[in-house]
Amino acid sequence: SQTIHQWPATLVQPVGSPLSLECTVEGTSNPNLYWYRQAAGRGLQLLFYSVGIGQISSEVPQNLSASRPQDRQFILSSKKLLLSDSGFYLCAWARREQFFGPGTRLTVL
Amino acid sequence: RKEVEQDPGPFNVPEGATVAFNCTYSNSASQSFFWYRQDCRKEPKLLMSVYSSGNEDGRFTAQLNRASQYISLLIRDSKLSDSATYLCVVISNTGGFKTIFGAGTRLFVKA
Repeated sequence: SQTIHQWPATLVQPVGSPLSLECTVEGTSNPNLYWYRQAAGRGLQLLFYSVGIGQISSEVPQNLSASRPQDRQFILSSKKLLLSDSGFYLCAWARREQFFGPGTRLTVL
Repeated sequence: RKEVEQDPGPFNVPEGATVAFNCTYSNSASQSFFWYRQDCRKEPKLLMSVYSSGNEDGRFTAQLNRASQYISLLIRDSKLSDSATYLCVVISNTGGFKTIFGAGTRLFVKA
């Protein structure tokens, strides 16, 4: 069966610090991978998606970036965090329907 | 107009009640439809797929109306544990494979 991992589960970072969130998938090959952000009480905002190694599509221009160095690894990064980057970050994999990891709750202070 | 729209609620219902949510979509070429459930501070989880013929899973029934471009979710005999946010999801394949999540409908089931 397929599983998806995200870490860390929670993170508190100062404004201006860098960010690296990691997502890995097990039990499947060449999945479509997604990064979402969810602000408190709001819907899901698609940030990036990837259909293969090194292939990244950005949905919203911002100070975040994503990379897919391996088939089942998806990384979300930032060089300098903003207060507005706080939120719940979710990674998902898909064949057709999407399956989400447990998420990372990021607070930028 | 948003591509996928849901009534945000909240729906406050007593235990045992029947509650229904609708979700409208704008792309008539949409192909696949799902309902997800999201508990507070947790990730969304797939609840059920939605087929043209309708489908039922225990107390949950999902239906698709292509002519009017909406999907529905009916919950019978509501339980306290049904309290959550319900997200509808629409997948289309026009100009590329695209998955759109609704913003969700909040449900509170009270004793």
